[in-house]
Amino acid sequence: AQKVTQAQTEISVVEKEDVTLDCVYETRDTTYYLFWYKQPPSGELVFLIRRNSFDEQNEISGRYSWNFQKSTSSFNFTITASQVVDSAVYFCALRGTQGGSEKLVFGKGTKLTVNP
Amino acid sequence: NAGVTQTPKFRVLKTGQSMTLLCAQDMNHEYMYWYRQDPGMGLRLIHYSVGEGTTAKGEVPDGYNVSRLKKQNFLLGLESAAPSQTSVYFCASRSGTGPSEAFFGQGTRLTVV
Repeated sequence: AQKVTQAQTEISVVEKEDVTLDCVYETRDTTYYLFWYKQPPSGELVFLIRRNSFDEQNEISGRYSWNFQKSTSSFNFTITASQVVDSAVYFCALRGTQGGSEKLVFGKGTKLTVNP
Repeated sequence: NAGVTQTPKFRVLKTGQSMTLLCAQDMNHEYMYWYRQDPGMGLRLIHYSVGEGTTAKGEVPDGYNVSRLKKQNFLLGLESAAPSQTSVYFCASRSGTGPSEAFFGQGTRLTVV
């Protein structure tokens, strides 16, 4: 079965601090996909990034970066120099490719508050 | 570009009433999903569909039924609403090819009193 754990329920930082959101996953599939979504206070779910299990390259997009480590089954998300607009709930998600591969499984989310 | 559209956006039901939530996507996606979001619980999968005419149970299917008569539409039904079904409901769709991400609707806030 697929499982995603986001151990940090809430994080509060001051603007310009760096913050890392943790995501640990479980799957028996050898090929799988990981995702991060952002849910701002307005409520919509915004796709941020996708990572394939066979591609362990880290990715940077502006102030956002993602660290994927298969050895520790983690896909962590770092925001550098956080801004108030980064305040949101962030979800990590997993989809396998074998039995039950149709399902997209989400973690419980981490609520990030960036204070001015 | 509408993407994924959910109807209605808000609804208040009395216990025992029935209703149908409509999800429509215009991206020709094969896969469609219904999730519910509750505080501290993240997004939990209710039902999903891998194509027109197919449906399957997710993590929390009890009390809900679904239908996918047309590829672009995925309906979620509550036959006899209960207060425990008070939640925000999200529909999502994705392409069936490759590592595609899911696109979400704007959500439906349902309150059962």
